[in-house]
Amino acid sequence: AQKVTQAQTEISVVEKEDVTLDCVYETRDTTYYLFWYKQPPSGELVFLIRRNSFDEQNEISGRYSWNFQKSTSSFNFTITASQVVDSAVYFCALSEADGGATNKLIFGTGTLLAVQP
Amino acid sequence: KAGVTQTPRYLIKTRGQQVTLSCSPISGHRSVSWYQQTPGQGLQFLFEYFSETQRNKGNFPGRFSGRQFSNSRSEMNVSTLELGDSALYLCASSFLLAGAADTQYFGPGTRLTVL
Repeated sequence: AQKVTQAQTEISVVEKEDVTLDCVYETRDTTYYLFWYKQPPSGELVFLIRRNSFDEQNEISGRYSWNFQKSTSSFNFTITASQVVDSAVYFCALSEADGGATNKLIFGTGTLLAVQP
Repeated sequence: KAGVTQTPRYLIKTRGQQVTLSCSPISGHRSVSWYQQTPGQGLQFLFEYFSETQRNKGNFPGRFSGRQFSNSRSEMNVSTLELGDSALYLCASSFLLAGAADTQYFGPGTRLTVL
């Protein structure tokens, strides 16, 4: 069965610290997609990254980087030199390709990141 | 390009009433999905529509229903409201790639409170 686990419920760091948010997933499919979303206090989910199961290259986008490892079924997210504006709930999500029959996202429980000034 | 819009943003209803929420997808997006977010259950998939057809449905009772119009706008309806239906309802739209799970872009949500 599909499942996404974000074991870290809350993380508190001081500004400029690096922080890694963990995500572990379970799926029986060989083709699947992984996502990270950010949810600030306003409530809207903001898309950060999409990765397919065939692309294990790590990705860096400014202060954000993602480490995808199929061997450990993990898709971790690192924020370098955190800022107060990074404070939000971060969700990892999984979608199976299922031949294009669905766009359903399975979300983890989220990690609340609090960056203190 | 305008993002996903949802109306209303806030809604207060009483038990037993019914409610209709509306979602306008990003221009050109034909797939619309709905999610419910509660503190206890987290983010849960309700249903997905594409070309006015429901493609997939989550594990919710029949009181939850939806539809999609020819312009891709979507509505979801909840009948006979219960206290437990209080939640943030999020709509997401995507272009829908053939044979792949496309990126979904979310609206700001409708905060429903059932008294």
